[in-house]
Amino acid sequence: AQTVTQSQPEMSVQEAETVTLSCTYDTSESNYYLFWYKQPPSRQMILVIRQEAYKQQNATENRFSVNFQKAAKSFSLKISDSQLGDTAMYFCAFMKPQGAQKLVFGQGTRLTINP
Amino acid sequence: KAGVTQTPRYLIKTRGQQVTLSCSPISGHRSVSWYQQTPGQGLQFLFEYFSETQRNKGNFPGRFSGRQFSNSRSEMNVSTLELGDSALYLCASSEGTQRNTEAFFGQGTRLTVV
Repeated sequence: AQTVTQSQPEMSVQEAETVTLSCTYDTSESNYYLFWYKQPPSRQMILVIRQEAYKQQNATENRFSVNFQKAAKSFSLKISDSQLGDTAMYFCAFMKPQGAQKLVFGQGTRLTINP
Repeated sequence: KAGVTQTPRYLIKTRGQQVTLSCSPISGHRSVSWYQQTPGQGLQFLFEYFSETQRNKGNFPGRFSGRQFSNSRSEMNVSTLELGDSALYLCASSEGTQRNTEAFFGQGTRLTVV
């Protein structure tokens, strides 16, 4: 079974700073998908960024980028120029590429951006 | 395009009762997945329906069941409610294919069992 671990329960940074959230996972699969989801106080989960394991290039979406280290089974999220609206719970998630939508989530990191 | 709609947003039930939650996916999406979110256990996968068939199931007791209708709307039922069933229940809608893996979540149903 796959497991996802987020070792930082809480983080806090000042607005405009860069912050990196950590995620490690365990799987015997060679191909899979990794995701970072954001859950603001409104509770709605929003996809931040997605990485396909067979792609060596790290995914980027505007201020959000990942550092995907397949051999180390590590998938960290970097938020550049952080904004107050980035305050949320961030979840790392794993999915096998079978079409079946089953996400395995980490425990989450509560990120607070301070003015 | 309308997003994923979950109803009701809030529910209070008594131990022993049963409850039905509803999820309307994004138009054209055939997959609906359900997750339970609690402070202690985090986000856990309940089950996934694709074209009216349960395609995947998590490790929850048989009191948790679901179904999907021909219009892709899905319902989740919990029978004989226990205090530990208090949680935020999220549903996610997707095309459900290997080519497109993005899941769109609803705002959830907050269930409180008293």
